[in-house]
Amino acid sequence: EAGVTQFPSHSVIEKGQTVTLRCDPISGHDNLYWYRRVMGKEIKFLLHFVKESKQDESGMPNNRFLAERTGGTYSTLKVQPAELEDSGVYFCASSHLPGTGTTDTQYFGPGTRLTVL
Amino acid sequence: GNSVTQMEGPVTLSEEAFLTINCTYTATGYPSLFWYVQYPGEGLQLLLKATKADDKGSNKGFEATYRKETTSFHLEKGSVQVSDSAVYFCAQAGGFKTIFGAGTRLFVKA
Repeated sequence: EAGVTQFPSHSVIEKGQTVTLRCDPISGHDNLYWYRRVMGKEIKFLLHFVKESKQDESGMPNNRFLAERTGGTYSTLKVQPAELEDSGVYFCASSHLPGTGTTDTQYFGPGTRLTVL
Repeated sequence: GNSVTQMEGPVTLSEEAFLTINCTYTATGYPSLFWYVQYPGEGLQLLLKATKADDKGSNKGFEATYRKETTSFHLEKGSVQVSDSAVYFCAQAGGFKTIFGAGTRLFVKA
């Protein structure tokens, strides 16, 4: 079974540019999450999709961040315009819906390292 | 609110030494507890987990026991190897969010 995949693995952009990160969850996982780790600090929750719907976006830092999950499969996270403080590693994770006999374990992708210059 | 606190690193050990990385949590209710590991150049991997009090998670020689009375989930390994060098994250999940500690970097010297 393929794991969570993310693209690109690294992105280096100038301040003010736009970047779009992509996440492909494990097949059959309806829950999809975005997290980020900034400057070696703790990994923080950004938002949660259940299928194509945003269940919780309380961790999104501001309106420069836009996440979508059209069709309930892969998700994109767009940063527009990017600022220096957006640099960090962006992780995606997926899990089953509760009640399907599985635990609430989230499986993480390798992350996208974003550097804003 | 819910949180996770883990010991600051870096932790530097010689090969075959005993490892303990302390982790405590605050939570309303009874979350599941996890240890994740990030090896150099790689993504986050689930190392072990425990879903209820007194459960012991184990994997690759690592162990952690869910202690409700002390709200702790300390990670231990009896004999570390150079290949264990990585960043270790303690985490809890009581709903859909996973809440992480700041991570502890482990260096193991040959």
